[in-house]
Amino acid sequence: QVQLVQSGAEVKKPGSSVKVSCKASGGTFSSYAFSWVRQAPGQGLEWMGGIIPVFGTTNYGQKFQGRVTIAADKSTSTAYMELSSLRSEDTALYYCAKDVSQLLLTNAFDIWGQGTMVTVSP
Amino acid sequence: SSELTQDPAVSVALGQTVRITCQGDSLRNNYVSWYQLKPGQAPVLVIFGKDNRPSGIPERFSGSRSGNTASLSITGAQAEDEAEYYCSSRDSSDNSVIFGGGTKLTVL
Repeated sequence: QVQLVQSGAEVKKPGSSVKVSCKASGGTFSSYAFSWVRQAPGQGLEWMGGIIPVFGTTNYGQKFQGRVTIAADKSTSTAYMELSSLRSEDTALYYCAKDVSQLLLTNAFDIWGQGTMVTVSP
Repeated sequence: SSELTQDPAVSVALGQTVRITCQGDSLRNNYVSWYQLKPGQAPVLVIFGKDNRPSGIPERFSGSRSGNTASLSITGAQAEDEAEYYCSSRDSSDNSVIFGGGTKLTVL
């Protein structure tokens, strides 16, 4: 059973960038897609984008195009999400999540990381 | 881009059946997934695909779809089912994933 462990909480200044990692263990990393989903305080779930490590292909939500970069390191079974030009509205809990399907990016995420809190404050 | 609409709140008496709905044009051509979200916990996938339950999800959870509306049904709701439920779909126009606004389920 795959487990996802994310990096720790971050506090960032407006205009800076944050990079969150998500290390997978206990399964085959490369053949599954991984997505990043965030939840701002008091708000709903929001998909940011995803990656299929075996192909290196990425797909980003329109809202985050140009500001988010999702990557994967197959050698360490780790996915990364970097968000730039941070603003206060980016304060949220960021999750990585594994897709149920292999070789496909779907909307069904069966394994989630524990979440990483990113706080953007002057 | 497409949107998914959910009722903000729904309540059900303990042991009764409740249906949570999700509406959106993307549902006509894409499967819906449903997630359960409890405070302080990561989301849990409860239904995906045509009507699939991941391992460990009780049989009382089921899903259906008709036209542009998808439904999550809980037959014999339990106290531990009290949570927020989010629907999700692919948006074929840009190959993205979209979420509904969430439904807060209260078990009375």
